Amino acid sequence: KNEVEQSPQNLTAQEGEFITINCSYSVGISALHWLQQHPGGGIVSLFMLSSGKKKHGRLIATINIQEKHSSLHITASHPRDSAVYICAVRFLNTDKLIFGTGTRLQVFP
Amino acid sequence: ETGVTQSPTHLIKTRGQQVTLRCSSQSGHNTVSWYQQALGQGPQFIFQYYREEENGRGNFPPRFSGLQFPNYSSELNVNALELDDSALYLCASSAGLGQVRGYTFGSGTRLTVV
Repeated sequence: KNEVEQSPQNLTAQEGEFITINCSYSVGISALHWLQQHPGGGIVSLFMLSSGKKKHGRLIATINIQEKHSSLHITASHPRDSAVYICAVRFLNTDKLIFGTGTRLQVFP
Repeated sequence: ETGVTQSPTHLIKTRGQQVTLRCSSQSGHNTVSWYQQALGQGPQFIFQYYREEENGRGNFPPRFSGLQFPNYSSELNVNALELDDSALYLCASSAGLGQVRGYTFGSGTRLTVV
């Protein structure tokens, strides 16, 4: 069964803290996406990974294909980072995305 | 380059009614996927259209149907609405199949069934 699990489900932080959100999946994938969803519902694609590491501003995403695990890191967190962060994977031989249930992040000033 | 546009943004329907949701794909994208996101849950795959043909379907009943037009925009139709159909419906477009590629998501249509 193709599954995607995220942890933690909820996360609170003080402004400036370093944040890590984790994603594990069950079988081989062709790509993993990290997405950001704000309260209005719209989803923004942050990263698409198939190996290694990507960095954009204060966001860093890593993936370990052998361990079937990815992490999203936020350095120097800010209240505007408050959102739901969702991991989604495309398993091999399929064109659909399977989503995790998301991690709700709240950053307080 | 335009993004993905969904309409309407919000909708209230009565149980038993029918609804049509619309999605305009990003310029250059020929694949549209629809997802249902219940409150507090991750999105669930409904179906995908590629070049006007359905290309994969999730675990949704036949009352969920779709269409893709020659300009690659798409519609999601739901018949005989049930209370549990209340959710955020997301559309995502992408360019082609079978490759590692990015998706562009719309802001969603929030459907409430009363």
